Amino acid sequence: EAQVTQNPRYLITVTGKKLTVTCSQNMNHEYMSWYRQDPGLGLRQIYYSMNVEVTDKGDVPEGYKVSRKEKRNFPLILESPSPNQTSLYFCASSGQGAGNTIYFGEGSWLTVV
Amino acid sequence: AQSVAQPEDQVNVAEGNPLTVKCTYSVSGNPYLFWYVQYPNRGLQFLLKYITGDNLVKGSYGFEAEFNKSQTSFHLKKPSALVSDSALYFCAVRDPANYGGATNKLIFGTGTLLAVQP
Repeated sequence: EAQVTQNPRYLITVTGKKLTVTCSQNMNHEYMSWYRQDPGLGLRQIYYSMNVEVTDKGDVPEGYKVSRKEKRNFPLILESPSPNQTSLYFCASSGQGAGNTIYFGEGSWLTVV
Repeated sequence: AQSVAQPEDQVNVAEGNPLTVKCTYSVSGNPYLFWYVQYPNRGLQFLLKYITGDNLVKGSYGFEAEFNKSQTSFHLKKPSALVSDSALYFCAVRDPANYGGATNKLIFGTGTLLAVQP
């Protein structure tokens, strides 16, 4: 079954404690990205990756890091989380071509206290 | 700048009645348009997309959407609503400035909560 898998699904953490949200896809997609969803704002792109070792900033990259060492994995790293990073996070992937559907994971609820 | 507007925060409809969830967009080129649905505590699920061709697009779960270039709209419709259709619906447009493949970014609307009453 084609899927995008994120972990953890739910996390409560404290300000400043580094955390990583993992993302893995089994569709051999070149493109992967991270979004955050906030009430009244829809989804906004944080970072994206065109392929292994190729990453770039999206619209709201501050406070986040990513890496793409393998094609299937695209972890999101919060080096020093702050309360304004409390949000619902989605990983996404798609194949090449603008008409390709983007597939999303089930989301990771992150609360920073 | 590219943008997507969903003018209704919530749409209420009785089961069995037709439903419409509105979406308008603003882009510089020809848009690629998408609808996604989010059920409670679930991820975003793809419903349908318009790339080119027939303006009426059919998707999953009996939903369809009509692309109207002159009105820059892509409204989601279903002839007969079900209680199980109750969810949060997002309209999105693929960033036309990056059709070359530099990003797979979608620009999302703020979402419309659909509530179907029994």
